[in-house]
Amino acid sequence: TQLLEQSPQFLSIQEGENLTVYCNSSSVFSSLQWYRQEPGEGPVLLVTVVTGGEVKKLKRLTFQFGDARKDSSLHITAAQPGDTGLYLCAGAGYGQNFVFGPGTRLSVLP
Amino acid sequence: EAGVAQSPRYKIIEKRQSVAFWCNPISGHATLYWYQQILGQGPKLLIQFQNNGVVDDSQLPKDRFSAERLKGVDSTLKIQPAKLEDSAVYLCASSLYREQETQYFGPGTRLLVL
Repeated sequence: TQLLEQSPQFLSIQEGENLTVYCNSSSVFSSLQWYRQEPGEGPVLLVTVVTGGEVKKLKRLTFQFGDARKDSSLHITAAQPGDTGLYLCAGAGYGQNFVFGPGTRLSVLP
Repeated sequence: EAGVAQSPRYKIIEKRQSVAFWCNPISGHATLYWYQQILGQGPKLLIQFQNNGVVDDSQLPKDRFSAERLKGVDSTLKIQPAKLEDSAVYLCASSLYREQETQYFGPGTRLLVL
């Protein structure tokens, strides 16, 4: 069973600050996804990464997949209150379903 | 395009009672998933359907949980009898064809077992 760890578990920052959250595993993934989940809603896919070392940018969000495809990071520049939510990573081995990490709960204060 | 619909949104029951959740996936999506998300944890896959067939139910507690997708469209998840530890959000998701494609999640059903 693939297990993912996410850190930090909780993060509270002021609007305008930068932050990075991490997703780590001892397993190699064929692909890794990041989701954001707001209270009372289901997770919404932000990005999928499939190549070791891959970097993807989505406006103020930068996603990186580790060279060994075992870890990933999400960096947010100039965080806004609208970024508040639970950030989940999910990894999948070849031909397997995605397994989710426990998430990082982010709170951006105005 | 309508998203994944789930009902009810909230349910409170007493332990040993039964409960059922309903999901209608995005039109045309062949794959349907049920997840359990306990407070403070990420979603855990309970069961995956491809059309009306079960692909993966390895983490479904089959002594109390059951699910069906009879016509390959909407699906129901049932718990009978419920335990305190079943308190969680039950999420339904669908994807166009198979695993590792983009999953679209519904808003979930929040279950509280007293």
